[in-house]
Amino acid sequence: KAGVTQTPRYLIKTRGQQVTLSCSPISGHRSVSWYQQTPGQGLQFLFEYFSETQRNKGNFPGRFSGRQFSNSRSEMNVSTLELGDSALYLCASSAEGWRDTQYFGPGTRLTVL
Amino acid sequence: AQKVTQAQTEISVVEKEDVTLDCVYETRDTTYYLFWYKQPPSGELVFLIRRNSFDEQNEISGRYSWNFQKSTSSFNFTITASQVVDSAVYFCALSEADSGNTPLVFGKGTRLSVIA
Repeated sequence: KAGVTQTPRYLIKTRGQQVTLSCSPISGHRSVSWYQQTPGQGLQFLFEYFSETQRNKGNFPGRFSGRQFSNSRSEMNVSTLELGDSALYLCASSAEGWRDTQYFGPGTRLTVL
Repeated sequence: AQKVTQAQTEISVVEKEDVTLDCVYETRDTTYYLFWYKQPPSGELVFLIRRNSFDEQNEISGRYSWNFQKSTSSFNFTITASQVVDSAVYFCALSEADSGNTPLVFGKGTRLSVIA
């Protein structure tokens, strides 16, 4: 099976702009989770989607949002970018959720100037 | 609340040495899952092992072995005869079951450098 794919792999934006990141899960997986990784805060959970519904949400401001489509593909959006949003954004997919192993994509490295 | 502590921030070893990465967790749930992931310089988190709270058997996979001890809330990872390709950041993670749909909580990671 093909693994989790994320696009784009690298992104450079300026403050105030918005950005959309995409994630395609492993075929058959219905749960998609997003994580932000920074040197200071480590890996932090953003949100999880299951069957097109947000099932869980981390402690991030409303500028961070996401959605999931009927084919389980997911997008996350960050509006009004701040310098502190520079990070590696990782997407993970699992069959049903927390009971199952999460498999991660290669990540999107976002740089905000 | 759940918490994962990886006290070793960085470890450096010479090739062929054995190395143990420590992981201590906190949870109030009786059912939970523990994971180890490897993150090479490319950035992708690579799944290594998943263990549920009712299975305390140690696991060995090639040069990798894991020691799960509920009595000390630890899930340590040992690499035997380390190789340069083992150089990466290793993360321990916890997912609780009793609390409902909770996400993975990661430790801060241990950066392992294996020197030739």
